[in-house]
Amino acid sequence: GENVEQHPSTLSVQEGDSAVIKCTYSDSASNYFPWYKQELGKRPQLIIDIRSNVGEKKDQRIAVTLNKTAKHFSLHITETQPEDSAVYFCAASKGSASKIIFGSGTRLSIRP
Amino acid sequence: DGGITQSPKYLFRKEGQNVTLSCEQNLNHDAMYWYRQDPGQGLRLIYYSQIVNDFQKGDIAEGYSVSREKKESFPLTVTSAQKNPTAFYLCASSIGDRGNNEQFFGPGTRLTVL
Repeated sequence: GENVEQHPSTLSVQEGDSAVIKCTYSDSASNYFPWYKQELGKRPQLIIDIRSNVGEKKDQRIAVTLNKTAKHFSLHITETQPEDSAVYFCAASKGSASKIIFGSGTRLSIRP
Repeated sequence: DGGITQSPKYLFRKEGQNVTLSCEQNLNHDAMYWYRQDPGQGLRLIYYSQIVNDFQKGDIAEGYSVSREKKESFPLTVTSAQKNPTAFYLCASSIGDRGNNEQFFGPGTRLTVL
């Protein structure tokens, strides 16, 4: 079945530095790639998504890139702040299947 | 945070008992989902439903059952056949029956088997 692998599982960066989380997917038919953020004790929430017809999308300090040929996509957070500390999940979907396959998550910690 | 609710927040169960977790949404969403969250394993899909009176198994459906009698409600029953039910359970909903729509999550239910 479809699989999404996410790395690293934990990431610690100095406040103000950048953080990068990488994911690979197995099903070449996947065409929708959302990223969710789950703060401690809270529910996951969508922070950014990208569809297969674009290679990059930005929203203020966060950006996502997609390489369809290599079947991988990445989340980039610049100028990290304490409130960026959370678990981040990548996911992939084929759209019509109504299923989203999640990665195993990355716990991001921002050091003061 | 409103729109999709789960109850109870914490649930304790004795071995051999069935328990039912509630999930309700007032977002008029067609699709609803149940996930199990374990440390280091991300979100694993248990069941999902695209429309009323229809649902499909996810990746880890064994030991679980669901119903979708109303658009607003998608309860999950954890049966005694589920070998390791202690986990955090998340319900979600999305607008359409396509997987490329944002999923809105409930606050979760933490189930502990005593």
